[in-house]
Amino acid sequence: DAMVIQNPRYQVTQFGKPVTLSCSQTLNHNVMYWYQQKSSQAPKLLFHYYDKDFNNEADTPDNFQSRRPNTSFCFLDIRSPGLGDAAMYLCATSREGTEDQPQHFGDGTRLSIL
Amino acid sequence: GEDVEQSLFLSVREGDSSVINCTYTDSSSTYLYWYKQEPGAGLQLLTYIFSNMDMKQDQRLTVLLNKKDKHLSLRIADTQTGDSAIYFCAESTRTASKLTFGTGTRLQVTL
Repeated sequence: DAMVIQNPRYQVTQFGKPVTLSCSQTLNHNVMYWYQQKSSQAPKLLFHYYDKDFNNEADTPDNFQSRRPNTSFCFLDIRSPGLGDAAMYLCATSREGTEDQPQHFGDGTRLSIL
Repeated sequence: GEDVEQSLFLSVREGDSSVINCTYTDSSSTYLYWYKQEPGAGLQLLTYIFSNMDMKQDQRLTVLLNKKDKHLSLRIADTQTGDSAIYFCAESTRTASKLTFGTGTRLQVTL
């Protein structure tokens, strides 16, 4: 029944070692979002895809990249994770990127950096 | 600019009503959302309201919007232990078309 699926739920990587988080959706939504959520904070938008169009937030570090090979899948790549990148990463989707379309979230991937 | 604020913590007894408050600054907000986040999980959409409405009810949940004061509240009737979570309000605007989240309110339900 899960509509936005994130894998894995927990990911451990080493300082500086590239890591990829994945998200898939069964909703056939046009828009997919990646958020970073640190402990006791609100989610912070990193970037989103409207179909194949990539939209980066101005303050998202270059260390974070994303790929969307098709409608259903979207990946978050962290090229050289630092200790400050340890967080929960949330994927969300919406039918259209308009204000009246709710975003639906996955359960997140908690990333730890050793 | 956009700023959404919530009180950090609320404790209620099981069976009582909970009221979680949210204030926002962007007068062009068009939709306002409430999400619930349980420990270690993602955000679950609870309900949302269009800015030309002042109230929306959905089972145990009642959303009140005072657009003049830019104040939003979520009332949970007959609060249960399963309602213990962090509740985020979020706004979106026609120009930005993205969510701005509040700081989150941790609801603790005691027996």
